[in-house]
Amino acid sequence: IAGITQAPTSQILAAGRRMTLRCTQDMRHNAMYWYRQDLGLGLRLIHYSNTAGTTGKGEVPDGYSVSRANTDDFPLTLASAVPSQTSVYFCASSEGGEGSTEAFFGQGTRLTVV
Amino acid sequence: GQNIDQPTEMTATEGAIVQINCTYQTSGFNGLFWYQQHAGEAPTFLSYNVLDGLEEKGRFSSFLSRSKGYSYLLLKELQMKDSASYLCAVRDSNYQLIWGAGTKLIIKP
Repeated sequence: IAGITQAPTSQILAAGRRMTLRCTQDMRHNAMYWYRQDLGLGLRLIHYSNTAGTTGKGEVPDGYSVSRANTDDFPLTLASAVPSQTSVYFCASSEGGEGSTEAFFGQGTRLTVV
Repeated sequence: GQNIDQPTEMTATEGAIVQINCTYQTSGFNGLFWYQQHAGEAPTFLSYNVLDGLEEKGRFSSFLSRSKGYSYLLLKELQMKDSASYLCAVRDSNYQLIWGAGTKLIIKP
């Protein structure tokens, strides 16, 4: 693994189903983030984690949950998918904190809820 | 509320220069970022400004004026591969990134 990896790359999901999007990084970054990107709206933060064992809600957290059991992994779960959750999901990581600069992004997961 | 504004779309000619503007209103300021995103791909980091002035990096430069809540990304000697969306983001007082909707740049031969 080099950098930050997401799985799956794309998924078609029936409404009402549960789905977990996986994200793994090997850069030992403290901070990790989940964004959704919709046309014309830019990146919107769903949940974040400043360090292993802690998580926080972003701008659009409803319908999503996360966990951060260790430094490397930050899965995003949709408990019961709805069509409005159709989007491209990006996981990102950064060193975190005051000294942090750039965030590194995974390749994205294109999710379609039907 | 927090707001980042940038033009939706711009068109420029190969070999020319283009300036993409970004204005922001955020709760606190801890730096401004520019990212490039090609269609169907992840955003990639271009530049970071935390102090006023111009940061130059090859063909790309980024300018910041904190008092005006304003930044621009300047792209010189445009190439076809520069066709992409350019995202402006501001890190707020909680060190969270607030993103603009992005500017789609179309380069014509």
